[in-house]
Amino acid sequence: KAGVTQTPRYLIKTRGQQVTLSCSPISGHRSVSWYQQTPGQGLQFLFEYFSETQRNKGNFPGRFSGRQFSNSRSEMNVSTLELGDSALYLCASSLVLQGREQFFGPGTRLTVL
Amino acid sequence: DQQVKQNSPSLSVQEGRISILNCDYTNSMFDYFLWYKKYPAEGPTFLISISSIKDKNEDGRFTVFLNKSAKHLSLHIVPSQPGDSAVYFCAASNNNDMRFGAGTRLTVKP
Repeated sequence: KAGVTQTPRYLIKTRGQQVTLSCSPISGHRSVSWYQQTPGQGLQFLFEYFSETQRNKGNFPGRFSGRQFSNSRSEMNVSTLELGDSALYLCASSLVLQGREQFFGPGTRLTVL
Repeated sequence: DQQVKQNSPSLSVQEGRISILNCDYTNSMFDYFLWYKKYPAEGPTFLISISSIKDKNEDGRFTVFLNKSAKHLSLHIVPSQPGDSAVYFCAASNNNDMRFGAGTRLTVKP
């Protein structure tokens, strides 16, 4: 089985711009979760999608949004980028909602200048 | 709020010796705990897990210990190998939530 894929792998944006990141889960997995990783903060949960609906949400501002398509692929959007949004964004897929064992993609490294 | 803490940002051990990575949590509702390993430019990969009904789970060179009363878990790697050098994240979960620690960078020296 192919693993979780994320595109693009690297992205450079400037403050005020918006960005869309994409995640394709493992075939058959219906849940996709998004995390932000910054040095010293570990993985901060953004949100989880299951069956095209956001089921859980972390403590991030409304500038961070997402969606999931019928094929379980998911996109994450960040609007009005700030310097502090520079991070590695990881998505993880699991078979079920709030699955205990998640499979991570390689991440998208976002740099905001 | 840091519900899961890994207080050691880094750890260095000699090849062949034991590596012990520690993790503390605050929420007593967590009932399932996991360790993930992350190499540079890759996503975290699942390593080992333990349910709150157990206090030990072993998988080859990796053993996870859970002390519920202390809200503490640890990962033991014996013997440590240079290929184990990576960042290790612990995670704690219940039916509604999963939280990760900040990670510990393990370096195993040949």
